[in-house]
Amino acid sequence: EAQVTQNPRYLITVTGKKLTVTCSQNMNHEYMSWYRQDPGLGLRQIYYSMNVEVTDKGDVPEGYKVSRKEKRNFPLILESPSPNQTSLYFCASAKQTGLNTEAFFGQGTRLTVV
Amino acid sequence: DAKTTQPTSMDCAEGRAANLPCNHSTISGNEYVYWYRQIHSQGPQYIIHGLKNNETNEMASLIITEDRKSSTLILPHATLRDTAVYYCIVRVVGTDKLIFGTGTRLQVFP
Repeated sequence: EAQVTQNPRYLITVTGKKLTVTCSQNMNHEYMSWYRQDPGLGLRQIYYSMNVEVTDKGDVPEGYKVSRKEKRNFPLILESPSPNQTSLYFCASAKQTGLNTEAFFGQGTRLTVV
Repeated sequence: DAKTTQPTSMDCAEGRAANLPCNHSTISGNEYVYWYRQIHSQGPQYIIHGLKNNETNEMASLIITEDRKSSTLILPHATLRDTAVYYCIVRVVGTDKLIFGTGTRLQVFP
């Protein structure tokens, strides 16, 4: 089954403790992206990657890092999480940059930073 | 990227057609209109997209006005499982960035 898988689904952590949210897709998609969703603000893009070893900032990249060493994986790294990073996070993938193809989203990771 | 305007919420009776409007008056010639929906807090789900012609798939129909300044998503026979937030998005050809607004919360009632 074609899917985007995020782990963990739920995470509670403390301020300053590094964490990684994993994202994996099994569709051989070139494009992958991370969004965060906050009440009243909709989904906002954090980082995106157009291919292996190619990443770029989205609209709200501060406090986040990403890597794209393999086509299927696109982990989101919070080096020193803060309470304002408490949010619902979604990973997405799409077949190829520039084509009008649909994006597939993961089921989300609800992160709470205390 | 063009901005979109959608009603905050709508109701629809089960079995009836749900017509969800979207205004995108500043849309450019190379921007596509996409519709996604989000059920509860799950990941957004693609529904349909189009440039200037009307489109139909197994989920819905998309009607785009001739001047492309607005569009309507039609769910022909709404079911309770169609209750969700529906997002209308315009996307520039050549990019994969999706700019989500606050969407329309559709409530389908029995």
